[in-house]
Amino acid sequence: ETGVTQTPRHLVMGMTNKKSLKCEQHLGHNAMYWYKQSAKKPLELMFVYNFKEQTENNSVPSRFSPECPNSSHLFLHLHTLQPEDSALYLCASSKKGVTEAFFGQGTRLTVV
Amino acid sequence: QKEVEQNSGPLSVPEGAIASLNCTYSDRGSQSFFWYRQYSGKSPELIMSIYSNGDKEDGRFTAQLNKASQYVSLLIRDSQPSDSATYLCAAPTGGGNKLTFGTGTQLKVEL
Repeated sequence: ETGVTQTPRHLVMGMTNKKSLKCEQHLGHNAMYWYKQSAKKPLELMFVYNFKEQTENNSVPSRFSPECPNSSHLFLHLHTLQPEDSALYLCASSKKGVTEAFFGQGTRLTVV
Repeated sequence: QKEVEQNSGPLSVPEGAIASLNCTYSDRGSQSFFWYRQYSGKSPELIMSIYSNGDKEDGRFTAQLNKASQYVSLLIRDSQPSDSATYLCAAPTGGGNKLTFGTGTQLKVEL
């Protein structure tokens, strides 16, 4: 069991649905990240939060909406997604400034 | 120029050989470097961290850092089929506000 937990592990949603991905870390870190990894493609950084403040938005479409209520929790709210958004979504956390980042198990998202 | 660059591979080595994985970075301000291993369909797993010039050994793994050349490598001795995975190099960028990954090198260890 890692110190970073993501739920759900798998998600199938229609293009008109609204869903949320959740990430929780128990490592005392203060930076959290969302990454997207499409099939056979490299990791794409989506968002970075440091001390609950968003410090990076890597030109992500507005149908992805992050939320970081505190340093231990991170959400990714999804709405009106497209089939090309199907991917593995990974959450990670680290200490600011930056030491090692640790990943959750990921959410495998399929948009139908 | 990409901030962290790796050859995508695949790199094929026979079982028992040494696998050498390479990474270059552009941000001279980066002070720490990390190697992750990612099996297909799984999340990346941290396997090595290196902060100083020179070599750092951990079991069959050795990380090498040359800050003057902006180069970091990972050597895997006595390669095993279970080492077959994608290896990701990462470094802090943007003033240390984010961790940037290379595209990863796919390693195949053949029997």
